[in-house]
Amino acid sequence: GDSVIQMQGQVTLSENDFLFINCTYSTTGYPTLFWYVQYSGEGPQLLLQVTTANNKGSSRGFEATYDKGTTSFHLQKTSVQEIDSAVYYCAMSHPSGSFNKLTFGAGTRLAVCP
Amino acid sequence: GPKVLQIPSHQIIDMGQMVTLNCDPVSNHLYFYWYKQILGQQMEFLVNFYNGKVMEKSKLFKDQFSVERPDGSYFTLKIQPTALEDSAVYFCASSLSYNNQAPLFGEGTRLSVL
Repeated sequence: GDSVIQMQGQVTLSENDFLFINCTYSTTGYPTLFWYVQYSGEGPQLLLQVTTANNKGSSRGFEATYDKGTTSFHLQKTSVQEIDSAVYYCAMSHPSGSFNKLTFGAGTRLAVCP
Repeated sequence: GPKVLQIPSHQIIDMGQMVTLNCDPVSNHLYFYWYKQILGQQMEFLVNFYNGKVMEKSKLFKDQFSVERPDGSYFTLKIQPTALEDSAVYFCASSLSYNNQAPLFGEGTRLSVL
């Protein structure tokens, strides 16, 4: 069945460090891929999405490339700030035969120290 | 920007009682969703809803669960009767279409079943 794997449960960085959060997915066909960010006490907010394989999405300095070959959608940011501390969820939807049902990964908690 | 509002933010209820979680989706959105997140775990799809009907539901959407949206009012999730394992945060989401459009999430209702 469909699945999204985020191996890193927690990432701790200092300000201005490089961020890399791993995400791989498993499904048939060509899903749409998303990164959502959830700040403490809030609902998940869309960070970026990519619909087409081999395209890159970017927002607020974050970027992720939809790599169909490795079935990956890793999230990167060159220089993190303390305000980036949150939980990041990789997710996918499969519009073919599905009404926008999202499958989420387990989430990666990012803590950025000043 | 547009928001999905969820009422209440926290609900405490005794096992076996009925509970209704309310969601006020974005006004021009047509597709509505409920997701469940048990503390420390990933968000899981429960159900999506369009044009007065359930389009898809997961195995987590037990017989005790029901959803509805009477004309123009709240999109509701009702659980009757509640069980201890229903304790979780329930997130409502909505979207204008289902094709490659990221759902917009509310802040969640924390349900505690005692």
